[in-house]
Amino acid sequence: KAGVTQTPRYLIKTRGQQVTLSCSPISGHRSVSWYQQTPGQGLQFLFEYFSETQRNKGNFPGRFSGRQFSNSRSEMNVSTLELGDSALYLCASSLSPDSFETQYFGPGTRLLVL
Amino acid sequence: GQNIDQPTEMTATEGAIVQINCTYQTSGFNGLFWYQQHAGEAPTFLSYNVLDGLEEKGRFSSFLSRSKGYSYLLLKELQMKDSASYLCAVNSGGYNKLIFGAGTRLAVHP
Repeated sequence: KAGVTQTPRYLIKTRGQQVTLSCSPISGHRSVSWYQQTPGQGLQFLFEYFSETQRNKGNFPGRFSGRQFSNSRSEMNVSTLELGDSALYLCASSLSPDSFETQYFGPGTRLLVL
Repeated sequence: GQNIDQPTEMTATEGAIVQINCTYQTSGFNGLFWYQQHAGEAPTFLSYNVLDGLEEKGRFSSFLSRSKGYSYLLLKELQMKDSASYLCAVNSGGYNKLIFGAGTRLAVHP
């Protein structure tokens, strides 16, 4: 079974631009979560989607948004990019949003904001 | 607040045993996960504990004490490929929202 896939793998943007990242979960998985990973802050939860609904949101500004489609694929968008948004963005999928479900991570999208 | 602490770095010798500790203070608790992350790669799942006690899986074991807010990951018969960061994460009660510690970077030497 194929793992979680994320596109693109690498991205370079300039301040003020916006970016859209894509995540395809493991087949059959319906819950998708997004995390930001930076050397200084580690892994931080952005948001989680299940059945096309955002179920939970982390402490990030409104510039960070996301959505989930009927096939469980998810996208996240960051508008008005700032230098501090440079990070590895990881998507994780699980069968359901139940707390005991293991989340499986994709390879991530490395975003560099210049 | 939510706080998860683990040592920043550890070193160990090939073939030895190492224990990576994790202490947590979270507003809720629905289980604790350990992930391994090699440099430049995605985190991969190692173990899950929700009840007190020891869970063993091959060379890796994980222990949980909910009353003490404490967990450890035990790696036996260390191999060079075990050099990686080990992330402790708590599901604090909101669906799939995991709160991660900063990670412990383990270096295994010959």
